[in-house]
Amino acid sequence: ETGVTQTPRHLVMGMTNKKSLKCEQHLGHNAMYWYKQSAKKPLELMFVYNFKEQTENNSVPSRFSPECPNSSHLFLHLHTLQPEDSALYLCASSQDWLANTGELFFGEGSRLTVL
Amino acid sequence: SQQGEEDPQALSIQEGENATMNCSYKTSINNLQWYRQNSGRGLVHLILIRSNEREKHSGRLRVTLDTSKKSSSLLITASRAADTASYFCATPKTSYDKVIFGPGTSLSVIP
Repeated sequence: ETGVTQTPRHLVMGMTNKKSLKCEQHLGHNAMYWYKQSAKKPLELMFVYNFKEQTENNSVPSRFSPECPNSSHLFLHLHTLQPEDSALYLCASSQDWLANTGELFFGEGSRLTVL
Repeated sequence: SQQGEEDPQALSIQEGENATMNCSYKTSINNLQWYRQNSGRGLVHLILIRSNEREKHSGRLRVTLDTSKKSSSLLITASRAADTASYFCATPKTSYDKVIFGPGTSLSVIP
């Protein structure tokens, strides 16, 4: 148990569906992240939030829409996805992005399959 | 482009043997981290080594850092079947403090 909880763990959706991934951290951290992990590819950083403000959008297509209502919760809203978006989506948090102590705490991931 | 890159991509050893994985990176770093990921699960932080450190230990893990060669190694001693996982090195980008991961080394420890 890392203190970062992701739901759902598995999601299957059609290309026309709208769904959301949820991440909650109980660590009192100030920064939260979405990473995408596709087969045979390195983890790709998608979004970074620090104190609820988006500080990084790593050229992610607009069909992925993040939301961070507070420092403990992070959402990834999905709409009109493509089959190549099928991947493991990992949420992570850290104490403070500027502290550079570096340790990320990851959730167990949401396995997304787009049909 | 990714900052760190692990070598080898895959490693298979017998239980009880030592496993060594290497990581090379491209630009200056403040620290380098190693993570483990069991199949289909999230990543777990193993160890962080700062740029002014050369070696660090944690249990059966030993990490070295050579900033002149821009490389690091992770040694797992007396491996166990439970060590079977993917291992990633990660480095913060100095300008943004984002942590960038390499493609990982897949370690299989055969009982």
